[in-house]
Amino acid sequence: AQSVTQPDIHITVSEGASLELRCNYSYGATPYLFWYVQSPGQGLQLLLKYFSGDTLVQGIKGFEAEFKRSQSSFNLRKPSVHWSDAAEYFCAVGGFTGGGNKLTFGTGTQLKVEL
Amino acid sequence: DTGVSQNPRHKITKRGQNVTFRCDPISEHNRLYWYRQTLGQGPEFLTYFQNEAQLEKSRLLSDRFSAERPKGSFSTLEIQRTEQGDSAMYLCASSFLLAASGELFFGEGSRLTVL
Repeated sequence: AQSVTQPDIHITVSEGASLELRCNYSYGATPYLFWYVQSPGQGLQLLLKYFSGDTLVQGIKGFEAEFKRSQSSFNLRKPSVHWSDAAEYFCAVGGFTGGGNKLTFGTGTQLKVEL
Repeated sequence: DTGVSQNPRHKITKRGQNVTFRCDPISEHNRLYWYRQTLGQGPEFLTYFQNEAQLEKSRLLSDRFSAERPKGSFSTLEIQRTEQGDSAMYLCASSFLLAASGELFFGEGSRLTVL
């Protein structure tokens, strides 16, 4: 069964500092990997995705993530955090099994940005 | 194209009442998914449709839950005889069958509170 672990429930960083959010996955085949962001009371917005090709993927809002198959990881990074990045971040894994892309999400990491 | 639309955005009901949520996906998307998100957790898969066919249901979807997508466009999720444990955010997502990445586009969710 596929699963996602986000070991950090809460992270606090200062504005302008770098950020790395951890994600480890378990999946039996080549995974499709996603990072979504959720602001309070809102739905999920896709930040970036990996499904093939270059293992370093660029996303919106200056985020990037690196797929490391040997470590089963897909960590999210940003070189300089802005106060507006404060939100909850979800890593998800999926694949085309049975015709549908049923994503499995981690429990999320709540990011707080100190000014 | 206005994205995935869900309504109502908020619903407060008394235990034992029935509630129905509606989801209008992105118009050209033929796959539609329902997820449930409880406080402090990531979204959990409930069910998905390809056109009007319901192809998979999670064990989380008890007999009190029913989802339909009668004409392959909008979908409804009905919960009968609501219980306090049903209180959650219900998220709808859609995707395009032939999209290589399998990205899901989420609506802003319908929050249910059962008193």
